[in-house]
Amino acid sequence: GNSVTQMEGPVTLSEEAFLTINCTYTATGYPSLFWYVQYPGEGLQLLLKATKADDKGSNKGFEATYRKETTSFHLEKGSVQVSDSAVYFCALKLSSGYSTLTFGKGTMLLVSP
Amino acid sequence: NAGVMQNPRHLVRRRGQEARLRCSPMKGHSHVYWYRQLPEEGLKFMVYLQKENIIDESGMPKERFSAEFPKEGPSILRIQQVVRGDSAAYFCASSPDSTEAFFGQGTRLTVV
Repeated sequence: GNSVTQMEGPVTLSEEAFLTINCTYTATGYPSLFWYVQYPGEGLQLLLKATKADDKGSNKGFEATYRKETTSFHLEKGSVQVSDSAVYFCALKLSSGYSTLTFGKGTMLLVSP
Repeated sequence: NAGVMQNPRHLVRRRGQEARLRCSPMKGHSHVYWYRQLPEEGLKFMVYLQKENIIDESGMPKERFSAEFPKEGPSILRIQQVVRGDSAAYFCASSPDSTEAFFGQGTRLTVV
């Protein structure tokens, strides 16, 4: 089956620190990969995505590269801000036919001033 | 273009009551998905609907839960005879086809 594994949180960083949140996946087909962000009390917002191997998704200073050889899609940001504090979800969706999103458990990020 | 609208945002029900959660998809979106987020867990798929049709309900509990997406009006997730274990955040997402999904802000159900 399909599954997504994320590093457990919380991840606690100081402002301007470098961020990495690991995400690996298993899939029966060829997935598209996503990172969603959930701010406190809010729904999920799409942060970035990549639809094929070696694609790099980027948005708001966040980046993730689709690595087929390591089945990974790690999220990175060079300098985090307090406002980045949220829960980050990695997800996959098969590209062929209809498919729903399979989510990881989420990683909470806490950034202190 | 308004986003996916869910209401109510917060819902409190006593054990044994019914909970009705509503989701209005984005304009032009005919695909609706419901997900449940339990405390400290990720989102779990429940059901996928297109107008008037249930496409995939493999994530729905077999009893007490039902979903519909009528020709007119919002999609409804209905939970009968709620129990404490139903307490969770329920998220709806919509898409114009079966690709990218846009999420609502969720309904947080508390069963007391």
